[in-house]
Amino acid sequence: GAGVSQSPRYKVAKRGQDVALRCDPISGHVSLFWYQQALGQGPEFLTYFQNEAQLDKSGLPSDRFFAERPEGSVSTLKIQRTQQEDSAVYLCASSLSRGGSNYGYTFGSGTRLTVV
Amino acid sequence: SQKIEQNSEALNIQEGKTATLTCNYTNYSPAYLQWYRQDPGRGPVFLLLIRENEKEKRKERLKVTFDTTLKQSLFHITASQPADSATYLCALDDFNKFYFGSGTKLNVKP
Repeated sequence: GAGVSQSPRYKVAKRGQDVALRCDPISGHVSLFWYQQALGQGPEFLTYFQNEAQLDKSGLPSDRFFAERPEGSVSTLKIQRTQQEDSAVYLCASSLSRGGSNYGYTFGSGTRLTVV
Repeated sequence: SQKIEQNSEALNIQEGKTATLTCNYTNYSPAYLQWYRQDPGRGPVFLLLIRENEKEKRKERLKVTFDTTLKQSLFHITASQPADSATYLCALDDFNKFYFGSGTKLNVKP
């Protein structure tokens, strides 16, 4: 597609429930990033893929968070046993190349997760 | 890791004036610095990238400067319009990823 697509757009989960958030990057984009954005804050880095390889997962807040990109295109961010502090917008971004592209990152519109 | 500071107070200006937003960082100078625009309920949209060896970059009404001595980037919008009202984020390169500031909200009044 023309842009980065994320689904679902909104997700309400009961505390303790597992959730899966999907990201469809721009076709051919090598790099894929997940960010978490709390209300009124900037995006916080979670993890980075180059093709199917997860090269950096230093931003994942706990072992309840897991991300995968098995075929180097679609990615899924999974959160197990959700907690209220997990409530945030989860943004996915893709880039044609690593970091220094003149085109920057293309972000999706995000998934707003609310844990009740 | 980097500490990135953007003015958390909203910037209110009159249509037609130049808006200037500031991004300061505290540690090492990044190889790249980017500016993004974010509207409510949407993901950030890439505007400009500037490299550490570039002092200034322009794109239409936008201008970005990068001073590695001051550890500061300035983002200017000339001839501002109400449609420029949004939150503007700066982002600094750290090897494979970018770290973002918390953004400054710009309000352009007609």
